[in-house]
Amino acid sequence: AQRVTQPEKLLSVFKGAPVELKCNYSYSGSPELFWYVQYSRQRLQLLLRHISRESIKGFTADLNKGETSFHLKKPFAQEEDSAMYYCALGTYTGTASKLTFGTGTRLQVTL
Amino acid sequence: DARVTQTPRHKVTEMGQEVTMRCQPILGHNTVFWYRQTMMQGLELLAYFRNRAPLDDSGMPKDRFSAEMPDATLATLKIQPSEPRDSAVYFCASGLGGHSNQPQHFGDGTRLSIL
Repeated sequence: AQRVTQPEKLLSVFKGAPVELKCNYSYSGSPELFWYVQYSRQRLQLLLRHISRESIKGFTADLNKGETSFHLKKPFAQEEDSAMYYCALGTYTGTASKLTFGTGTRLQVTL
Repeated sequence: DARVTQTPRHKVTEMGQEVTMRCQPILGHNTVFWYRQTMMQGLELLAYFRNRAPLDDSGMPKDRFSAEMPDATLATLKIQPSEPRDSAVYFCASGLGGHSNQPQHFGDGTRLSIL
């Protein structure tokens, strides 16, 4: 069965400091990984997905199949980055795709 | 910018009452998901549909919860009778569903409080 682990419930960093939000997955098939962000009391929004290999709002994430990881990184944290971040694994059951979410990491950026 | 629409945004009611939450998926999306978010449990998948057919509702308490898609533009989640432990934010999401690399698009959620 698939599983997504985000080991940190809370990550607190200073403005301008580098950020790394950890995500590890367990899946026997070919993984499709996503990061979602949820600002206070708002909906979850897609931040990025590994298949696109893009950088959104300065964030990047690289899929490391050897370490089964998809850590989210940003070189310089901004106050507006404070939010809840969810890592998700996409799987296809043969009839539909679904996402398995991690428990989330709250990023707190302070001055 | 197409969005998933959920109604109501907020609902406060007394225990024992029926609660109905509605979701309009993005036009053209054929897969719809219902999630529940709480501080204690995080994000839980309750049920999901493809082409209006229920695929998996194993995450949903069967005795009081029911989920349906009467047509392609409407999904409903009902709780009857409601209990205080059902208080949570309920999110609907939709997607194309044909491949594991397809993202889901979330609505703004229904914040439910059962007194």
